[in-house]
Amino acid sequence: DIQMTQSPSLLSASVGDRVTLNCRASQKIYKSLAWYQQKLGEAPKLLIYNANSFQAGIPSRFSGSGSVTDFTLTISSLQPEDVATYFCQQYYTGTWTFGGGTRLELK
Amino acid sequence: QVQLQQSGEELAKPGSSVKLSCKASGYMFTRYYISWIKQTTGQGLEYIGDINTESGGTNYNEKFKGKATLTVDKSSSTAFMQLSSLTPDDSAVYYCARGVDVWGQGASVTVSS
Repeated sequence: DIQMTQSPSLLSASVGDRVTLNCRASQKIYKSLAWYQQKLGEAPKLLIYNANSFQAGIPSRFSGSGSVTDFTLTISSLQPEDVATYFCQQYYTGTWTFGGGTRLELK
Repeated sequence: QVQLQQSGEELAKPGSSVKLSCKASGYMFTRYYISWIKQTTGQGLEYIGDINTESGGTNYNEKFKGKATLTVDKSSSTAFMQLSSLTPDDSAVYYCARGVDVWGQGASVTVSS
């Protein structure tokens, strides 16, 4: 299986900060990557698919970049409602795999 | 709107089985596969498998072969996942998903004597 590694596992930032979350795949997945936001007690919510395509209804401060094995989710200006855990997921193979998550908190 | 509605919380005894449901609405059910994902605090998110809602063909993560059985009822636009021979390690929140973009609300399964 393709291993997905996210860093950092915990990130503290202030409102208005530019925040960068990282995700690395153990094999080439090209652009078959999604980013999710998960708040406590809720299902994951899709933010980005195909590495850099915006899901409808997601605030424009969220953006994705990268390809092949290295990917980034950027929040351009952190808002209080962005406190959550963020997961990356590859769907290049028939068995999806997920990163361990980055927990984002307010400083 | 497009949504997946999952069945409720389950409390089960070790060795028993549970059958979770995932009812689709707002789209043509047979046009999309349904996937199932397990989430625990310790293991994170794990892919269980998926089912072709038109043909009933299935694809399982090796880890969940023999544990999960995926089925579908096209007449009611509902996908099912049966978990058998339950152990405490099967305690988790289970999600169904349509592709990457639509997830159910999750169903909590607790296995305890």
